[in-house]
Amino acid sequence: DAGVIQSPRHEVTEMGQEVTLRCKPISGHDYLFWYRQTMMRGLELLIYFNNNVPIDDSGMPEDRFSAKMPNASFSTLKIQPSEPRDSAVYFCASSWGLNEKLFFGSGTQLSVL
Amino acid sequence: EDQVTQSPEALRLQEGESSSLNCSYTVSGLRGLFWYRQDPGKGPEFLFTLYSAGEEKEKERLKATLTKKESFLHITAPKPEDSATYLCAVKNSNSGYALNFGKGTSLLVTP
Repeated sequence: DAGVIQSPRHEVTEMGQEVTLRCKPISGHDYLFWYRQTMMRGLELLIYFNNNVPIDDSGMPEDRFSAKMPNASFSTLKIQPSEPRDSAVYFCASSWGLNEKLFFGSGTQLSVL
Repeated sequence: EDQVTQSPEALRLQEGESSSLNCSYTVSGLRGLFWYRQDPGKGPEFLFTLYSAGEEKEKERLKATLTKKESFLHITAPKPEDSATYLCAVKNSNSGYALNFGKGTSLLVTP
């Protein structure tokens, strides 16, 4: 398996623009997580899904952030409108069942100017 | 609220110089403590899960231990390829499936 695949690897955008980050989890995994990593706050859980259903979105910072999982092999995290403070590395991770071994993608480095 | 504090923030070792990384935690109802390794430009990679005080896990030059207040990641005779950031995370009985990560220890092993 190719692992968790995220795109794009890097995204540079201007404040106010819409940003969409994409994730393909490992086939067969039924949990999908979106994390954000910054120097100041470390790794923070934004939202996670089980069998394509959002379970906990309490980490989503505000209404500008939204996440969807239309099927078992694809998820998006959207920021609209983007702000400079959204600049961070966004990771997607997946796992099988209640196995707490998370498999992370390589992340998307987002820079909002 | 869960708190996970890792120390030191950065550590530089010479090849072969053994040391330990610390993860102190405050959590109600610990349901697991996790260690991950993160290389630059990559996502974290799972190393260990510890569930109860006194438990130990080993993998190559790494050994993780757990007490009621902290966990240690012991690195024996490290090699340059052990250079990475090591992250600790906890899960409690109220957090559902969420892992609460510390900020990590950046380890550099020089030849």
